[in-house]
Amino acid sequence: DVKVTQSSRYLVKRTGEKVFLECVQDMDHENMFWYRQDPGLGLRLIYFSYDVKMKEKGDIPEGYSVSREKKERFSLILESASTNQTSMYLCASSASTGLAEAFFGQGTRLTVV
Amino acid sequence: KNEVEQSPQNLTAQEGEFITINCSYSVGISALHWLQQHPGGGIVSLFMLSSGKKKHGRLIATINIQEKHSSLHITASHPRDSAVYICAVPQGDADKLIFGTGTRLQVFP
Repeated sequence: DVKVTQSSRYLVKRTGEKVFLECVQDMDHENMFWYRQDPGLGLRLIYFSYDVKMKEKGDIPEGYSVSREKKERFSLILESASTNQTSMYLCASSASTGLAEAFFGQGTRLTVV
Repeated sequence: KNEVEQSPQNLTAQEGEFITINCSYSVGISALHWLQQHPGGGIVSLFMLSSGKKKHGRLIATINIQEKHSSLHITASHPRDSAVYICAVPQGDADKLIFGTGTRLQVFP
């Protein structure tokens, strides 16, 4: 059974903290994505990576960075968490075949207080 | 104007009813995805289609590339179908997706 696993389902962090969200996939996929999901806005792409050590900004990268040191792991980093980063964060992966199906993690609901 | 629009935003139904959720998009695409998100957050891919129709159990997805429109149908709906249904299309190169805002479906017994 294919899997994308996010390290936490729920997180509560304080404003100004550095936050790490981890995502691991076991399908040997080249592409990995981080999205945030907010009511009325749908899923918005923060960053994606199409290979180890490669990354590209998505639509809303401000306030975030990413790391992909190994093919199976893609980390999202909030350098200094702010309350407007309270959201549901979803990781996804897909094979690099153009019309590949995307597989999603279970989501991390982050609250910044 | 959003590049992917879904309707309705919210939908309630009685168990057994036939459900239709619509998705319109403004960009040229090679394929369209239908996704399901249950309470709790996890998203599951239901369909990826580039033409015609696909069926999986009680779920049917259709697409009309010329009209830039897709529909997701659920026959004999059941309370366990209650979820948010999201359509998505490739953005630029096919590896990135643009998502609709989702349709929240509640099916009551």
